[in-house]
Amino acid sequence: DAGVIQSPRHEVTEMGQEVTLRCKPISGHNSLFWYRQTMMRGLELLIYFNNNVPIDDSGMPEDRFSAKMPNASFSTLKIQPSEPRDSAVYFCASSAGTSGRIQETQYFGPGTRLLVL
Amino acid sequence: AQTVTQSQPEMSVQEAETVTLSCTYDTSESDYYLFWYKQPPSRQMILVIRQEAYKQQNATENRFSVNFQKAAKSFSLKISDSQLGDAAMYFCACQNNDMRFGAGTRLTVKP
Repeated sequence: DAGVIQSPRHEVTEMGQEVTLRCKPISGHNSLFWYRQTMMRGLELLIYFNNNVPIDDSGMPEDRFSAKMPNASFSTLKIQPSEPRDSAVYFCASSAGTSGRIQETQYFGPGTRLLVL
Repeated sequence: AQTVTQSQPEMSVQEAETVTLSCTYDTSESDYYLFWYKQPPSRQMILVIRQEAYKQQNATENRFSVNFQKAAKSFSLKISDSQLGDAAMYFCACQNNDMRFGAGTRLTVKP
């Protein structure tokens, strides 16, 4: 199994630009999670999907952030426009949960390190 | 929503010795899951061990074991026979309809 795949691994962009982060969950997993990790706030759950449907997006910081899951094997997290305070490591994780409840173990991707100048 | 507290920002252990990392949590749910994740310098989040709240028996994975005290809402991680490769940030997490992580404990292993 290839595990959770994220791309790009590193992204450097300028303030105001659009940033798109990508995630491919583990095959067969039907729950997908986006996290952000910063020194100040630690690890925060931004949004999670179950069967491609967003279940809880209460962690999304503001309207500049949006996430989609068009199919079971792909998800994107988009920031538009990006700001320096968005600089962080963004993790995607997936699990085999069969309902809208988070119950199964989450397996994390390698993360995308984002730097907004 | 649950909260997770790791009161030890940093810990140090001698190679081959045993170390215990502390974690307390607070949740109003009766059905939840607890995890320890390891994050080495590569930043990869690696699952170390998992405990279901309804199980009384403490989970064990090779050199890693937990002391789960449900009434006290405590979930400590014991690493036996510490190895240099165990050096990393360790995060405790509580999961039920939400996933909350502690602030982490940085473990240093001295040769």
